[in-house]
Amino acid sequence: DAGITQSPRHKVTETGTPVTLRCHQTENHRYMYWYRQDPGHGLRLIHYSYGVKDTDKGEVSDGYSVSRSKTEDFLLTLESATSSQTSVYFCAISEIRGNTEAFFGQGTRLTVV
Amino acid sequence: AQSVTQLDSQVPVFEEAPVELRCNYSSSVSVYLFWYVQYPNQGLQLLLKYLSGSTLVKGINGFEAEFNKSQTSFHLRKPSVHISDTAEYFCAVWGKGTDKLIFGTGTRLQVFP
Repeated sequence: DAGITQSPRHKVTETGTPVTLRCHQTENHRYMYWYRQDPGHGLRLIHYSYGVKDTDKGEVSDGYSVSRSKTEDFLLTLESATSSQTSVYFCAISEIRGNTEAFFGQGTRLTVV
Repeated sequence: AQSVTQLDSQVPVFEEAPVELRCNYSSSVSVYLFWYVQYPNQGLQLLLKYLSGSTLVKGINGFEAEFNKSQTSFHLRKPSVHISDTAEYFCAVWGKGTDKLIFGTGTRLQVFP
């Protein structure tokens, strides 16, 4: 299995609080991604990174920010959590662009109450 | 921009019957295509991928898919399913020259004895 660790695995937080999810990889892959999974929507790309300090927005980036200060870590921050951000969040990594497999973490289940 | 449409949200089938899960994509550039499987409470794992060459691609667990450029489709097939194939299946597309892996909304395959 690819070395991807998401933390925490489960979190319950209150509306309006900031939340940070961490994705840590040991594969030295260049590309890292954050997705959210919701019933009926599949996986939607939130933000992605193509190198240290190089990030860009995905399909559903509003209310989220990311940072990548080291190759191995990609942080997703919900600036002020809302109930609509209750979801399962997946981190993925890939070595190069496109023609290779993306490896996924086990997911973080976030509940905003 | 790329997009993926999975026409069937759920596919019920009896054990040992054949199955086809449909996937259509849209892209302004050439693409790489993928099928991922997600078992309950787990992350995603790669079933198969089309990068170039033969349009019929074989993957793990007896699955195969056929790339049809004229119909912009990448349907997944298995000639005889098992109970253990019960899972959610995601089609994904990566546009060449882009940094994004875009997923469809998923198809839940339920295999009945």
